Amino acid sequence: DGGITQSPKYLFRKEGQNVTLSCEQNLNHDAMYWYRQDPGQGLRLIYYSQIVNDFQKGDIAEGYSVSREKKESFPLTVTSAQKNPTAFYLCASSTPGQGSPYEQYFGPGTRLTVT
Amino acid sequence: GIQVEQSPPDLILQEGANSTLRCNFSDSVNNLQWFHQNPWGQLINLFYIPSGTKQNGRLSATTVATERYSLLYISSSQTTDSGVYFCAVASGGSNYKLTFGKGTLLTVNP
Repeated sequence: DGGITQSPKYLFRKEGQNVTLSCEQNLNHDAMYWYRQDPGQGLRLIYYSQIVNDFQKGDIAEGYSVSREKKESFPLTVTSAQKNPTAFYLCASSTPGQGSPYEQYFGPGTRLTVT
Repeated sequence: GIQVEQSPPDLILQEGANSTLRCNFSDSVNNLQWFHQNPWGQLINLFYIPSGTKQNGRLSATTVATERYSLLYISSSQTTDSGVYFCAVASGGSNYKLTFGKGTLLTVNP
């Protein structure tokens, strides 16, 4: 099946620890994204990558880092510098093309709890 | 940046009723998507509709780009329609950066 996978589904960490969230897609999409969702809120863009080995900051990049070494993978590291890391994290992908260019598709998300 | 406002914030319906959800945006858009977030958090694509009208079963959507709004229609609602509906737009020459509204929480009672 083609799609986007995120692991783990739930993640618990102690304050002060870095944690890496996984996102993999087999849709052959060029672009990938990370969003954060807080309770009762919409999604906010953390980072996005249009192509391998390139990425740009979104609206709330502070305290996060990413890499894009392979087309299908876009891991997100939540560092200890992120002041309020507990949230629901969603990964997405899209591709330019005919039909619905840049339509974004989402993975199932990872719920991160930091105590 | 672009502002996205969704209304109403909450909506409670009886099964079988129809509803209209609205999304207003403050600038011209390159991309507009409607999503349904189910109780498990999964975002499901409903429509990609920067302009025009589309229909998919009981759901339809219309975007009037010149007047900067989009409408999502749900007919004959079912309990499985419950969840949060989000509108998201890309603008300002970028096709990549989606800005989300805060969503409409729909509850359909049996």
